[in-house]
Amino acid sequence: EAGVTQSPTHLIKTRGQQATLRCSPISGHTSVYWYQQALGLGLQFLLWYDEGEERNRGNFPPRFSGRQFPNYSSELNVNALELEDSALYLCASSPLAGGADTQYFGPGTRLTVL
Amino acid sequence: LAKTTQPISMDSYEGQEVNITCSHNNIATNDYITWYQQFPSQGPRFIIQGYKTKVTNEVASLFIPADRKSSTLSLPRVSLSDTAVYYCLVGGLSMNTGFQKLVFGTGTRLLVSP
Repeated sequence: EAGVTQSPTHLIKTRGQQATLRCSPISGHTSVYWYQQALGLGLQFLLWYDEGEERNRGNFPPRFSGRQFPNYSSELNVNALELEDSALYLCASSPLAGGADTQYFGPGTRLTVL
Repeated sequence: LAKTTQPISMDSYEGQEVNITCSHNNIATNDYITWYQQFPSQGPRFIIQGYKTKVTNEVASLFIPADRKSSTLSLPRVSLSDTAVYYCLVGGLSMNTGFQKLVFGTGTRLLVSP
């Protein structure tokens, strides 16, 4: 069974640009989560999508947005990039919404903002 | 929102038992506790999950006291390959809003030496 996949592996942008990150969940999983992990820091919850809808977001500004497609894949968009947006962005999927669902993580996208 | 606290780092030797504790004083009734392992430049990998008392699987045990304000991940006999960062995740569906709330701990960097 294929795991969670993310693309691209690395992304380099300049300040003010927009970045689009993509995630494909494990087949059969309907929930997708996005996390930001700045260098040397822990994981910060960004967004949770389930059945095509945004269910919850962490404490991030509105320029962090995303969507979930009918096939449950997801996109994270970061507008007006700032230097401090440089981080590893992790996507995770789970089979059910909420509760004690185990999240399975992808390898991440390393975003560098210059 | 539950805030989690873990020791920043721990050192051990091969063959020893390692116990990593996570404090989560504000844990909610419907929150579960999940532990993940993360190697550099990889996404976190699920280790174990529990709600209360003790849970054991083939790689670890999880101890949760009756008040659930802390949890302890126990790795029975560590090897060099267990050198990684370990995160606890506290979260679940909010009974009031139905929203997923997810709080990762700060992570504990475990170094296993020969």
